[in-house]
Amino acid sequence: KNEVEQSPQNLTAQEGEFITINCSYSVGISALHWLQQHPGGGIVSLFMLSSGKKKHGRLIATINIQEKHSSLHITASHPRDSAVYICAVNFGNEKLTFGTGTRLTIIP
Amino acid sequence: NAGVTQTPKFQVLKTGQSMTLQCAQDMNHEYMSWYRQDPGMGLRLIHYSVGAGITDQGEVPNGYNVSRSTTEDFPLRLLSAAPSQTSVYFCASSRQESSGNTIYFGEGSWLTVV
Repeated sequence: KNEVEQSPQNLTAQEGEFITINCSYSVGISALHWLQQHPGGGIVSLFMLSSGKKKHGRLIATINIQEKHSSLHITASHPRDSAVYICAVNFGNEKLTFGTGTRLTIIP
Repeated sequence: NAGVTQTPKFQVLKTGQSMTLQCAQDMNHEYMSWYRQDPGMGLRLIHYSVGAGITDQGEVPNGYNVSRSTTEDFPLRLLSAAPSQTSVYFCASSRQESSGNTIYFGEGSWLTVV
């Protein structure tokens, strides 16, 4: 079965801390997406990657195809980073399989 | 460029009523999809379409109907609403590109069935 698992489910950190959210998947993929969802809000795509590493501002996403694992890092975290971060995977077609999300809370 | 537009944002239905959630995109994307989001669960695919005139079922299609008469529009119909359909619904679109398929989501529709 094609599965996507995220950890941790919940993460609370102090402002300025370095944040890591992990995503593992069960079989080979064509692409992996990191998404952000603010409370009561819509879902925004942060990254789409199939290999290597991407960086956008304070956000960095990496993927290890051999280990079937991806990480999302946030440097110098800020309260406005508080959101649910969702990992989603294309298992070889357009359809996405989603993780259950990581709820991140950054305390000032 | 409005992206993906979803309406209504909030709706309360009585059991047995029918309604349509509207979704439109102005990016000429081939692929459109509907998801529902429930507490403690990842988003689940209801129906999807790879182009005008083509639709297919996702993971949880029962009780829902879709059509894709144009590239822009992909409405989701609830045929006879049930309390189990109380959820947040998201429409999404994407286009296959050489670097992959960046996905764009609507703002979500909060549906309560009483």
